Amino acid sequence: GQNIDQPTEMTATEGAIVQINCTYQTSGFNGLFWYQQHAGEAPTFLSYNVLDGLEEKGRFSSFLSRSKGYSYLLLKELQMKDSASYLCASSSNSGYALNFGKGTSLLVTP
Amino acid sequence: EAQVTQNPRYLITVTGKKLTVTCSQNMNHEYMSWYRQDPGLGLRQIYYSMNVEVTDKGDVPEGYKVSRKEKRNFPLILESPSPNQTSLYFCASRGGGEAFFGQGTRLTVV
Repeated sequence: GQNIDQPTEMTATEGAIVQINCTYQTSGFNGLFWYQQHAGEAPTFLSYNVLDGLEEKGRFSSFLSRSKGYSYLLLKELQMKDSASYLCASSSNSGYALNFGKGTSLLVTP
Repeated sequence: EAQVTQNPRYLITVTGKKLTVTCSQNMNHEYMSWYRQDPGLGLRQIYYSMNVEVTDKGDVPEGYKVSRKEKRNFPLILESPSPNQTSLYFCASRGGGEAFFGQGTRLTVV
């Protein structure tokens, strides 16, 4: 499999910027997903990176470096509703399966 | 609207009583999968299916069965549920891009 590593917990202040890192094994790698999940709810899609570089989507941006096996999710102008778990997942070039990390629980404080 | 529908949302059952959790998708996706999510362990894949009549074990298949008789449906079957199968379950489907998740089924086995 493709081991995914991401921090377990992070805390940030409302209005600030936070970066959530994710590393993965590069063997057979195809693309990198980020999902947001509020407690007890289904994961919702945030971004999908296949090529190196930064993709910006409103307050959220995602970066990928294929050679380094590294990605990050950048959240700007944090809001209280951004308190959630953020899941990093890799896809391989051998099929449709997604390999999920254990998620980073983000707490946004006033 | 593209969606994955799973039922029921909540279920409390007793040990040994067979149950089925249904999952249906309307996107004509070939790939479908089942995950369970437990605190500190993240999303773990139970079974997946690449197409009709094609199913395969994921990381934690013990105690579960699936079937894929039609493209849109992928039910999860617990023949003899046990308390260690108490968990939050998600069905997902995927085409070439993001994975879509059902709303989740919170199962409690007493």
